[in-house]
This record gives sequence, structure tokens and C-alpha cells, in this order.
Amino acid sequence: GAGVSQSPSNKVTEKGKDVELRCDPISGHTALYWYRQSLGQGLEFLIYFQGNSAPDKSGLPSDRFSAERTGGSVSTLTIQRTQQEDSAVYLCASRWGFEQYFGPGTRLTVT
Amino acid sequence: GENVEQHPSTLSVQEGDSAVIKCTYSDSASNYFPWYKQELGKRPQLIIDIRSNVGEKKDQRIAVTLNKTAKHFSLHITETQPEDSAVYFCAAGTSYDKVIFGPGTSLSVIP
Repeated sequence: GAGVSQSPSNKVTEKGKDVELRCDPISGHTALYWYRQSLGQGLEFLIYFQGNSAPDKSGLPSDRFSAERTGGSVSTLTIQRTQQEDSAVYLCASRWGFEQYFGPGTRLTVT
Repeated sequence: GENVEQHPSTLSVQEGDSAVIKCTYSDSASNYFPWYKQELGKRPQLIIDIRSNVGEKKDQRIAVTLNKTAKHFSLHITETQPEDSAVYFCAAGTSYDKVIFGPGTSLSVIP
């Protein structure tokens, strides 16, 4: 079946602008994660949605970052007033049970 | 919360030799330990995982071992090939909570 998809694949924005990144998880997966990966670095946890429970936002680096998940499916990560240090690949992953599958990521460049 | 450490950060081996990557975790409630391989410019891919009810699991040239008492687990790759060159991430968690990743190991297999 279809895997996790993300859009856009690349996004270039000017410093100070807001951006929205979208994630379509695998159908039926109840858990959804957002990670950030800076160049050559590891997977930094940002936020986690599990079913109808309140999301775990413990990884969000500042209040400029927010995410929502509508209808238990599609998720949007919003970054307000982007800064150059926000430049990274943003990866979404979905999960049902144990196994977690990643999307292809959105490469965000803030100029 | 869970904290995962991973060693070494870089590893270089000759083709045909074995490679071992070690991870430790902090939360005794963790019962799921996946390993991901990330090739340059691509998304992390699940290559093998182990659950706490077993001490070892093998899949062709890849094996994982788990020591729950000591809270450490390892990835073993035998007969390494150039296509094994990638960044490998270990992770720890449960099926009902977020999975935390280690910082990664960059493996280079020299032909």
C-alpha cells in the first residue's frame, strides 16, 4: 500500500515568513511523529500524536512551532516567523503497533 | 524520559569484516528496540527490530542482541559490503509511547 507522504518535498522561504509542512500517514496508523534532522545530524523529536490523546509536544524547540492532526489522519507542522536555524529536513513518521515508517521529508531552507 | 546513547559515532571497516554498533537506554519500561539505516539523502528505513521478550534476533547478515538487565543492545553486521555504508540509528521505546533515537553511527565500508 501507499507509504507516508509529505509535501512539499522542498521549501525555500525568507526569514520571518510562516511555513506549513504536510504529512499524510499510512492509512489506519494511529500514531504520528514529527522529527527534525539538521545536516549531518540525528533525528530530533518534535511532537507525537497518538489517537485521540493530547499530543506530546515536549520536543518543540520554541513557541514558533506548532502542529495539528485533523481527523486522526493528516498532520500539519507550522513554523511561524522562520529563522535561519530552522533550516533542516523535517521528517514525519507514522506507526501502528510497534513499527514506525518515515516519509521522504521536507527540506526547508530559510534564506 | 527515555535517553538513548550510541557508540561509536563513526565506524570504518574493510569489506568483508564485521561491524558492531552499541546502544544503551535509560527507561526500564522500554520494550521495543528498532534499528534504522539512512543512506545519504534518503529517509530512515527500518532494517531490524527486537522486542524485550527475546535476547537475540537475526536476519541474514544482520543480528541484534538485547540485554535488558544492563539496558543495552547491539547491532551486528557480518560480511560487510560497500552498500552497507550509511548512518545507522538505534532507538528505544514502547508500542504506546514515543520512540527515542540515538545520535547515529556513520558506517563506512572500504572496498
